[in-house]
Amino acid sequence: AQSVAQPEDQVNVAEGNPLTVKCTYSVSGNPYLFWYVQYPNRGLQFLLKYITGDNLVKGSYGFEAEFNKSQTSFHLKKPSALVSDSALYFCAVRAYSSASKIIFGSGTRLSIRP
Amino acid sequence: DAMVIQNPRYQVTQFGKPVTLSCSQTLNHNVMYWYQQKSSQAPKLLFHYYDKDFNNEADTPDNFQSRRPNTSFCFLDIRSPGLGDAAMYLCATSRVTSGRRDEQFFGPGTRLTVL
Repeated sequence: AQSVAQPEDQVNVAEGNPLTVKCTYSVSGNPYLFWYVQYPNRGLQFLLKYITGDNLVKGSYGFEAEFNKSQTSFHLKKPSALVSDSALYFCAVRAYSSASKIIFGSGTRLSIRP
Repeated sequence: DAMVIQNPRYQVTQFGKPVTLSCSQTLNHNVMYWYQQKSSQAPKLLFHYYDKDFNNEADTPDNFQSRRPNTSFCFLDIRSPGLGDAAMYLCATSRVTSGRRDEQFFGPGTRLTVL
């Protein structure tokens, strides 16, 4: 069975500092991995995905994520946080064998203080 | 711009009064999803349509039904809303083929209040 874990409910970072939001996954076969962001009272917005290829994936708003197969992780990163990055972040995974469904992590609330 | 549209954005209904939420898309995606999300939790998949094929999650209550009359539209019907059904309902779409597993695109959501 596929699953995804976000071990931190909340991450607090000062503006201008680097940020990391952690995600680990469990899936049979090669994973498809995604990061989404959700602002208050809005739907989820796609940030980036890993399908195959380079382990470092670049996405929207200056975010990037590093796929680590040996650690089964897909941590979201940004070199310099902005206050506007404060939001709820979801990691998600899809197994190749699962054609249309993805599994979401529990979410991490990112808070950037000025 | 191609997008996923949900109407209404806010819906208030009475306990037990049927309600329908709508979703439309201009992306021409073949898969459409309905999720329920409560208080900043992970979205919970209720069901999805893969083309015309309806796929219900095992733990989705019978109170929730869905219709997809054509590629562009999908409806969520709640036959007898209870207080526990108050939530944000998210519609999403995706293009899935034998060789592609694209990301899902989400609408802005409909916040349902049950009085």
